Amino acid sequence: DAGVIQSPRHEVTEMGQEVTLRCKPISGHNSLFWYRQTMMRGLELLIYFNNNVPIDDSGMPEDRFSAKMPNASFSTLKIQPSEPRDSAVYFCASSLGTKDNEQFFGPGTRLTVL
Amino acid sequence: AQKITQTQPGMFVQEKEAVTLDCTYDTSDPSYGLFWYKQPSSGEMIFLIYQGSYDQQNATEGRYSLNFQKARKSANLVISASQLGDSAMYFCAMREFNTNAGKSTFGDGTTLTVKP
Repeated sequence: DAGVIQSPRHEVTEMGQEVTLRCKPISGHNSLFWYRQTMMRGLELLIYFNNNVPIDDSGMPEDRFSAKMPNASFSTLKIQPSEPRDSAVYFCASSLGTKDNEQFFGPGTRLTVL
Repeated sequence: AQKITQTQPGMFVQEKEAVTLDCTYDTSDPSYGLFWYKQPSSGEMIFLIYQGSYDQQNATEGRYSLNFQKARKSANLVISASQLGDSAMYFCAMREFNTNAGKSTFGDGTTLTVKP
């Protein structure tokens, strides 16, 4: 199994630029989660999808953040425009269902906004 | 209110000894699941163990066991025979099945250091 795949692994950009993070969940998993991890705020759930449909996006910080899941094997998290406070590690995770199945995390994307 | 509380920011344990990492939770949902994850310095998140709220027995996975005390709302992780490779950050998480549409909440984590 390839596991959850995220790209890029590292991204350095300048304030005001658009950033797109990509995720490929484990084949057959029907739930996908986007998390952000910082020292100050810990691990925060941004949004999650079930069967490609966004279920809860209450964790999305503001309108600069958007996420899509056009099909079962691909999701994007976009930040436009990016700000230095967006610097964090962004994790994508997938699971089979949203209940008692564990989430499998990707390696994360380390985003630095200068 | 914090849904998941991990009161130990850092813990030390001697190699080969057992260690307990604390986790308390808050929910009014009768149906929920509790998860523990390990995050080594390399950054990946690794699933360790799961306990369902209706499970009669405490979960075990190799050297990991979960001390589930439902009335106290605690789900402590016990690692037996600690190894140097156990040094990492450990996160407790909860998923409420009827409320919050299955959203997971994570604690702030406990950094475990295993001393040789």
